[in-house]
Amino acid sequence: DVKVTQSSRYLVKRTGEKVFLECVQDMDHENMFWYRQDPGLGLRLIYFSYDVKMKEKGDIPEGYSVSREKKERFSLILESASTNQTSMYLCASSHGGANTEAFFGQGTRLTVV
Amino acid sequence: AQSVTQPDIHITVSEGASLELRCNYSYGATPYLFWYVQSPGQGLQLLLKYFSGDTLVQGIKGFEAEFKRSQSSFNLRKPSVHWSDAAEYFCAVAPFTGGGNKLTFGTGTQLKVEL
Repeated sequence: DVKVTQSSRYLVKRTGEKVFLECVQDMDHENMFWYRQDPGLGLRLIYFSYDVKMKEKGDIPEGYSVSREKKERFSLILESASTNQTSMYLCASSHGGANTEAFFGQGTRLTVV
Repeated sequence: AQSVTQPDIHITVSEGASLELRCNYSYGATPYLFWYVQSPGQGLQLLLKYFSGDTLVQGIKGFEAEFKRSQSSFNLRKPSVHWSDAAEYFCAVAPFTGGGNKLTFGTGTQLKVEL
């Protein structure tokens, strides 16, 4: 089975802290994604990566950055956490090309106080 | 730009009743379409997907969906709902050209099942 693992289920951070959310996949997928999920808004794409060291902005990249130094790992970075970044963060991965589906991690519930 | 509309925020059905969750999409070409389910506190699980071919697709847990190009719809159905189906359901669209398989999600439909 494909496994996408997010390092933390729950995180509580203070305003202004630098926050790292880690995601690892074990299926040699080319694509990896970070989504943010908020009630009534569904999932919104923050960033995605289609190869090592490659990244593209999604729909809501402001306040976030990403890092992909190895194919299996994709990190989301909040440079200076703010309370409006309190949310559920979901990582996903998929093979490159067409006709593929995305597999999701369990999510990280981040609270910024 | 692609978009997805799920017009029903909440739906309540009785156990054993049939279910239909609505999904309308906006995309300039043939899309890839997906339905995902999310149980409380969990990630998303793929129920079914449409890429091409037969417009009626079967998924896991007894779900099916029908792609109707003329209506830009991809509604999810189940003939008899079980209490364990209570969850949030998301419809999503991805570009046919691949586009890195970037999914655009609807806002979700929360399903409640009454016993």
